[in-house]
Amino acid sequence: DAGVTQSPTHLIKTRGQHVTLRCSPISGHKSVSWYQQVLGQGPQFIFQYYEKEERGRGNFPDRFSARQFPNYSSELNVNALLLGDSALYLCASSVRDTGPPLSGNTIYFGEGSWLTVV
Amino acid sequence: AQSVSQHNHHVILSEAASLELGCNYSYGGTVNLFWYVQYPGQHLQLLLKYFSGDPLVKGIKGFEAEFIKSKFSFNLRKPSVQWSDTAEYFCAVNAGGGSYIPTFGRGTSLIVHP
Repeated sequence: DAGVTQSPTHLIKTRGQHVTLRCSPISGHKSVSWYQQVLGQGPQFIFQYYEKEERGRGNFPDRFSARQFPNYSSELNVNALLLGDSALYLCASSVRDTGPPLSGNTIYFGEGSWLTVV
Repeated sequence: AQSVSQHNHHVILSEAASLELGCNYSYGGTVNLFWYVQYPGQHLQLLLKYFSGDPLVKGIKGFEAEFIKSKFSFNLRKPSVQWSDTAEYFCAVNAGGGSYIPTFGRGTSLIVHP
């Protein structure tokens, strides 16, 4: 089975522009979450979606938005890009999102999209 | 809010040396604990996880971790490292119940010299 796939793998944008990043989860996974990983830091949670509904939001400004489609793929959108948005954006998928027991509800990461804002 | 501390930011070892990477978390309730590894140029991969039961968890590639609830710790160990273990290691925690939103530590960079 294919893992989590993300596109594009690398992109360069200028300040003030908008970017859309895409993610396809592992087949059968209904939950998708997005993370930002700045160089030298661990991934920081941005959003989680399950069955097309937002289930969690991290501490990111409203310039960041996301959505999930009926086929469970997802997009992350960032408006009015700032230099500080330069990072690796990771998508992860899991079978479900909530509720104990969480045993088996492991998240699987894609390879990420490297965004450079100049 | 939960937080994760990885005290060793950079570790350099020679092959065959033993490894222990520290991970402490701050959350008083039930937790699920993970170690992820990121090899150079590759995506984050799950090394091992703890949800319940035996606090000594064995993962892939000879790694293991011990959950010590009283110390809020989940340290990663390997008796004998190899050059191929050179990677970034991340500890992650999420509170049991509710949305599955893990909090990651800042990572430990491990370099193993041949």
